[in-house]
Amino acid sequence: EVQLVETGGGLIQPGGSLRLSCAASGFTVSSNYMSWVRQAPGKGLEWVSVIYSGGSTYYADSVKGRFTISRDNSKNTLYLQMNSLRAEDTAVYYCARDWDGYNLDWGQGTLVTVSS
Amino acid sequence: EIVLTQSPATLSLSPGERATLSCRASQSVSSYLAWYQQKPGQAPRLLIYDASNRATGIPARFSGSGSGTDFTLTISSLEPEDFAVYYCQQRSNWPPTFGPGTKVDIK
Repeated sequence: EVQLVETGGGLIQPGGSLRLSCAASGFTVSSNYMSWVRQAPGKGLEWVSVIYSGGSTYYADSVKGRFTISRDNSKNTLYLQMNSLRAEDTAVYYCARDWDGYNLDWGQGTLVTVSS
Repeated sequence: EIVLTQSPATLSLSPGERATLSCRASQSVSSYLAWYQQKPGQAPRLLIYDASNRATGIPARFSGSGSGTDFTLTISSLEPEDFAVYYCQQRSNWPPTFGPGTKVDIK
């Protein structure tokens, strides 16, 4: 059974950094495309970043240069390093396993709140 | 960036009724469109991919149609568990984008 569990969210001050983790089971992270998608409180979904099985990474313009997606194959875990956080980054962050360009399997999400 | 517009914003229906949700793209996305369902406090769930293909385990009452710029998600007869928010998403052009959602609530 595919399972994704995100951790690492919390309250952080503007300008701060946070690293989210997404522990996967039931499949191999490095063999799949993996994404981060976020949802601001009461709002819709926004794609954030993807890492391909070959290692290529891509980012939404809103986070480019501030966020870094990576994975640890030995831990079968996906990460999102978030630097220079802004109030508008406040959201629930979901990791997802992609299939054919769509987000097939999702974690339960972790809430990041950027506020002073 | 392709902008997806969904209508209506809210659809108020009774169990057993038919629901028709619309998604329009700012330019052609061919058939590279998906529909997701999200219930309060839960992650989204993939329902339909490539405009008309049901994902694994999705009931037959959900169907998708359309191509190019105009797409429809139809729920043939609403079950109590179908009251939720539905999002469309395109993967034709970079970056992938989502629509703002349609909330289907109980009349």
